[in-house]
Amino acid sequence: NAGVMQNPRHLVRRRGQEARLRCSPMKGHSHVYWYRQLPEEGLKFMVYLQKENIIDESGMPKERFSAEFPKEGPSILRIQQVVRGDSAAYFCASSQGSGSNQPQHFGDGTRLSIL
Amino acid sequence: GQSLEQPSEVTAVEGAIVQINCTYQTSGFYGLSWYQQHDGGAPTFLSYNALDGLEETGRFSSFLSRSDSYGYLLLQELQMKDSASYFCARGDSSYKLIFGSGTRLLVRP
Repeated sequence: NAGVMQNPRHLVRRRGQEARLRCSPMKGHSHVYWYRQLPEEGLKFMVYLQKENIIDESGMPKERFSAEFPKEGPSILRIQQVVRGDSAAYFCASSQGSGSNQPQHFGDGTRLSIL
Repeated sequence: GQSLEQPSEVTAVEGAIVQINCTYQTSGFYGLSWYQQHDGGAPTFLSYNALDGLEETGRFSSFLSRSDSYGYLLLQELQMKDSASYFCARGDSSYKLIFGSGTRLLVRP
């Protein structure tokens, strides 16, 4: 039973380019969360999605960032016109339900580096 | 600022017991989770407490006191592979997790 799959593991972009990060949740999970982590820090919530719906995007910057979880295919976190400050590890997690007692299972993350 | 406080670093010897404390703000609290993360790896779920008391899972136990807004993770019979960062995370709603800054545990031989 495959876990949460994220790709790419590492992504290098120049300032002004677009970054697309993909996440396939665990089989049977319909709840997806994106988090961002800077070195030596905890994970910061960005967005919570269910199939075809954004439930909470309160942690995601209003400009340049967007997320989707289409009916078919992986969830995508898109960062347009990247800047140096976007360099971080981006983790996706999925859960079977939405209750706080539902453990969130994390992927290995995408390390985004902006040149 | 952070709504959870945990020590930044703890060092212990192999075979010992170590306790990692976590205090949190009570507003909208749903429960306290613990995650382990090795360098360069994914956070891995360890435990969850919604009610007061101790939850035991093998060598790891987690405790919660809602009245004190406090919890801890207890690691027994430490092994070298336990060297990692440990994060407490509060449920801030029925789904959102708010993470602490993490405690880096170094296990020495």
